[in-house]
Amino acid sequence: GQNIDQPTEMTATEGAIVQINCTYQTSGFNGLFWYQQHAGEAPTFLSYNVLDGLEEKGRFSSFLSRSKGYSYLLLKELQMKDSASYLCAVRDQENSGYSTLTFGKGTMLLVSP
Amino acid sequence: DVKVTQSSRYLVKRTGEKVFLECVQDMDHENMFWYRQDPGLGLRLIYFSYDVKMKEKGDIPEGYSVSREKKERFSLILESASTNQTSMYLCASSSRDRGRYEQYFGPGTRLTVT
Repeated sequence: GQNIDQPTEMTATEGAIVQINCTYQTSGFNGLFWYQQHAGEAPTFLSYNVLDGLEEKGRFSSFLSRSKGYSYLLLKELQMKDSASYLCAVRDQENSGYSTLTFGKGTMLLVSP
Repeated sequence: DVKVTQSSRYLVKRTGEKVFLECVQDMDHENMFWYRQDPGLGLRLIYFSYDVKMKEKGDIPEGYSVSREKKERFSLILESASTNQTSMYLCASSSRDRGRYEQYFGPGTRLTVT
């Protein structure tokens, strides 16, 4: 099974930098995803890490340490539209060409002016 | 752009009714998934399918069944709806291609069972 922990809520100010942490304990690991979900909308894909290190994509970066069971999502130059829930998800071991995701409960980020 | 559509955004049903939730994707994805999302519990996997007519139980399959007769369509069935099935239901699809593992989600169906 998988156990995924992330903070429930975070607040930050427009223009600032925020780091959302995710820790996991898993029986199998084949990569880690971050998704963004605005209220009332579907989750949308942000990033995928399978190797250790930092992946940068514009204002968003994601880091993975497999030995520590740890990831973070870094959001720079925060904008009001970044107010959303951020979901960490671990990809299970691949099985016959498919795998499933186990999601954390999400971190609600509120960006204030 | 990948498009995943769900048959209804909002649905109200009575206890004991049979409920069908439909999901269609247009990207020829092999894998399709049904989740429910509840406050404080996050996204939980109900069932998934990795091929036509194939289905696998997720973490919370009790009270649900699924059908995948065509590659693009995956249906979730509540045989006899109960109030504890009131939730947001999200469908997703993904490719089996290496390096293309992200799941694409539909807009969700908010189901209320009274």
